Amino acid sequence: DAMVIQNPRYQVTQFGKPVTLSCSQTLNHNVMYWYQQKSSQAPKLLFHYYDKDFNNEADTPDNFQSRRPNTSFCFLDIRSPGLGDAAMYLCATSRDLSFSGADTQYFGPGTRLTVL
Amino acid sequence: GEDVEQSLFLSVREGDSSVINCTYTDSSSTYLYWYKQEPGAGLQLLTYIFSNMDMKQDQRLTVLLNKKDKHLSLRIADTQTGDSAIYFCAESITSSASKIIFGSGTRLSIRP
Repeated sequence: DAMVIQNPRYQVTQFGKPVTLSCSQTLNHNVMYWYQQKSSQAPKLLFHYYDKDFNNEADTPDNFQSRRPNTSFCFLDIRSPGLGDAAMYLCATSRDLSFSGADTQYFGPGTRLTVL
Repeated sequence: GEDVEQSLFLSVREGDSSVINCTYTDSSSTYLYWYKQEPGAGLQLLTYIFSNMDMKQDQRLTVLLNKKDKHLSLRIADTQTGDSAIYFCAESITSSASKIIFGSGTRLSIRP
């Protein structure tokens, strides 16, 4: 009964080699988010999709892109990973853009990215 | 600005109560949340409180909100080893409909 699924759980890539992380959801939520979380830090929002509308955070580097081919799936593409991009990447979903109590963001287990 | 602050570490003895504190800056927050993150896992919603409430109790968890001081706390009664995790305080910002602001997390460790 997993609701937000991320694959793979661990990803190793080489410096500069493009990598794609995957997220899927069974909640039929309208909004999907990608966060970057480095050790001992708060999750940092990179961008989100509301349905097909893409919203980039102002300080998200161009190196990070995203695709949402349908309601269930969302991908994070890192075009040229640097050593500083090693982190946990968390996918989250929400029913809508406004939050109300338990109607909030739900997170997947994350993908830990290592850059060699 | 939008900022949520928490202390980084807390160590308690098994069976004691844990109290994790958080301060936030945005007075327009509507909901405040506590998320739990176990090692290698994503964030799990533990509990939440609406901004016009002072207290919410849910089994071993008690949330206290002091809106005047912008202070939120999470009390875990009878702390168990399974409570070892990082606890994130978060607020939903009404000025930015799609945003939840997280603190840096408090790592709770349990000693026997």
